[in-house]
Amino acid sequence: DSGVTQTPKHLITATGQRVTLRCSPRSGDLSVYWYQQSLDQGLQFLIQYYNGEERAKGNILERFSAQQFPDLHSELNLSSLELGDSALYFCASSEGGVAGGYEQYFGPGTRLTVT
Amino acid sequence: TQLLEQSPQFLSIQEGENLTVYCNSSSVFSSLQWYRQEPGEGPVLLVTVVTGGEVKKLKRLTFQFGDARKDSSLHITAAQTGDTGLYLCAGATTSGTYKYIFGTGTRLKVLA
Repeated sequence: DSGVTQTPKHLITATGQRVTLRCSPRSGDLSVYWYQQSLDQGLQFLIQYYNGEERAKGNILERFSAQQFPDLHSELNLSSLELGDSALYFCASSEGGVAGGYEQYFGPGTRLTVT
Repeated sequence: TQLLEQSPQFLSIQEGENLTVYCNSSSVFSSLQWYRQEPGEGPVLLVTVVTGGEVKKLKRLTFQFGDARKDSSLHITAAQTGDTGLYLCAGATTSGTYKYIFGTGTRLKVLA
C-alpha cells in the first residue's frame, strides 16, 4: 500500500459525458501528479500540482483539467469524453515539487471506460 | 520530444536465469527511477538513481545509471516467478514541458 488513494476504482460512462477522478496523496506529500496509461501509449504524464499550484504540464488535452485543493487532495476532470479516453488514470504523490530526486508513489488507479 | 526507449519490450525466461533490461535516451536526466507494475495496479517504486555511474543493489536486482545520465540498466540475478511484471524506467528532467518521462516498458515473465 503506497498511501495514495484514488476513487473511484472503475468508471463507465458514455461519450460526451464529464467525469471527475479524485486522488488523496500520502500524508506529508505536497505534490500530486496525474498520468494516463493506455495499451498503445504507455504511461503519459498529464499534469503536476505542488501545494495547490500547477507546477508542470505534460500531454494534457484541453478537455481535461485538474486542481489541487487546500487539503492537498486533487481532482482530474475529463469532459466531452471520447472513446479514446478509455484508459487507466493514475495519481502519484511526492514530498517535494522540483523535478529530480523526488520519489513518486502511485495510487491504485481509476479504470475509465467510455462507451 | 524526449523519449525513453526500453529493451527488450518482452522477455520470457526460466526461473534461475539472469537478465538485463535497458533504458536509453538521447536526453540527460537529473534522476532516473525504476518501477515494477502488476496488472491492474499502480507502478511500485524500486529505486532512484541520481549520480552518473551510480550503482544500487536491491537484493537480486542491480541498477546502474549511465555516466552521462542518459541511460540505465536493471540486472536481475537468478530470476524468480515473483519477478514477473512490467518494468518501467522514468526520467526526471527540467528541460522543456515534460517533467517526468516514462519508458516504453519491459514485460517480464519468469516461468517456473
